[in-house]
Amino acid sequence: GNSVTQMEGPVTLSEEAFLTINCTYTATGYPSLFWYVQYPGEGLQLLLKATKADDKGSNKGFEATYRKETTSFHLEKGSVQVSDSAVYFCALSERAQKLVFGQGTRLTINP
Amino acid sequence: GAVVSQHPSRVICKSGTSVKIECRSLDFQATTMFWYRQFPKQSLMLMATSNEGSKATYEQGVEKDKFLINHASLTLSTLTVTSAHPEDSSFYICSAEAGLDTQYFGPGTRLTVL
Repeated sequence: GNSVTQMEGPVTLSEEAFLTINCTYTATGYPSLFWYVQYPGEGLQLLLKATKADDKGSNKGFEATYRKETTSFHLEKGSVQVSDSAVYFCALSERAQKLVFGQGTRLTINP
Repeated sequence: GAVVSQHPSRVICKSGTSVKIECRSLDFQATTMFWYRQFPKQSLMLMATSNEGSKATYEQGVEKDKFLINHASLTLSTLTVTSAHPEDSSFYICSAEAGLDTQYFGPGTRLTVL
C-alpha cells in the first residue's frame, strides 16, 4: 500500500537558517504530493502541492520538487522565520483515494 | 481558498453522553468529506469517508456504531461520538473534497470527556 515517511523531529533552527524536511513515499501509481502545515491548536492548511514528476510546488517561500526517481518530495525554505514554527505533514493521494499522511515534523524557530 | 468550518471548536462532556460535531463547507459544495482523529503530537488517522446521501465508509478498526456520521447535504457532515468515554478525548478534524486530489481542512474540534 501507499505510505509516506518523514524526517523525524523535532527540528529546531535559528531565524534565517535554511530548512530542509525530508519526505519519501511509496506508491503503486502516480500520486499527487502535498505539504500541509498545522499551527498550534489549528487544523491543517495546504502549503503546497505537486501533481506530476518534476513539478515544483511553492508557497510563502517554501518549495518542494516531485522527484520520481528518488520517490521524494523534500520541503525547503531558504530563510525561516519564527512564524514558521508549526508541524509540517507530507502527504500523498492517488486518484479518487484518500490522503495518506506522514507522521509530521515539528519545527521550532528561535529568534 | 475554500473555507471549511467546524463547530464547536472545543467541547467538554461527561462520560456516557453523546457529542455532535459539525463540519461545513462554506463556499463550495462537497460530495465527499473526511473525518480524521489526531492524537497529541501524532499524525492524522482517517476515521471515515462521508459521502452525501449515502452511508459513510469507515476505516478498519473504527467502530461505526460509536462514531456516527451523517452527510445530509452537500455542505454539511456531522460526526456524533456516542456514549463518549475518556479514551475518546482527542482532536477531531474534518476535510471537504473540492476537486481531484484537493481537500480543505476544518480548524478541528477538541473533545475532552471527563
